[in-house]
Amino acid sequence: DQQVKQNSPSLSVQEGRISILNCDYTNSMFDYFLWYKKYPAEGPTFLISISSIKDKNEDGRFTVFLNKSAKHLSLHIVPSQPGDSAVYFCAATNTGTASKLTFGTGTRLQVTL
Amino acid sequence: KAGVTQTPRYLIKTRGQQVTLSCSPISGHRSVSWYQQTPGQGLQFLFEYFSETQRNKGNFPGRFSGRQFSNSRSEMNVSTLELGDSALYLCASSLGQNNSPLHFGNGTRLTVT
Repeated sequence: DQQVKQNSPSLSVQEGRISILNCDYTNSMFDYFLWYKKYPAEGPTFLISISSIKDKNEDGRFTVFLNKSAKHLSLHIVPSQPGDSAVYFCAATNTGTASKLTFGTGTRLQVTL
Repeated sequence: KAGVTQTPRYLIKTRGQQVTLSCSPISGHRSVSWYQQTPGQGLQFLFEYFSETQRNKGNFPGRFSGRQFSNSRSEMNVSTLELGDSALYLCASSLGQNNSPLHFGNGTRLTVT
């Protein structure tokens, strides 16, 4: 039972354009959501998070949007840079068990010149 | 500030053997979590330790165990290794408070032959 889904295994975007990565979840108990970036041979790196009491959170070029009624979140990267090329994982948890993250399967982002 | 350190980076073991993986968290972090990453199942939560006590547990068999020391360093042990235990094992540390993000190490790649 995949409680966190990233339906696009890959995405290709031109440098300078917007990258939009999507994530859906099914568990209504999830109230804290995170995005991680992973390069080959490295562990995931925390990017940005959002609590269910908000619908948007920004950090520099990264913005996460949360639509609770649709159980959907998205990560926007503007402008996209070649160094953003990596696998992006969406993760969700319940505040009470915050270290027990449920991860999506990841989306490989390729930013082209 | 030094990141999460995992040793060793690579390990090759034979079916039936046991293995111990080590993790040193970021200084000041009291929570250490372990995750298994495989191509088929993605990133899955194993367990979390906080102040030397197991605080959360995932759905893995009892062959997988861990412990945390008073300096917050943690070890994970897998006994009676099976071929399916071949995976990247990731350790993550956090402050252990609500909504404090996890910071991952680069993992230990375990191959069981």
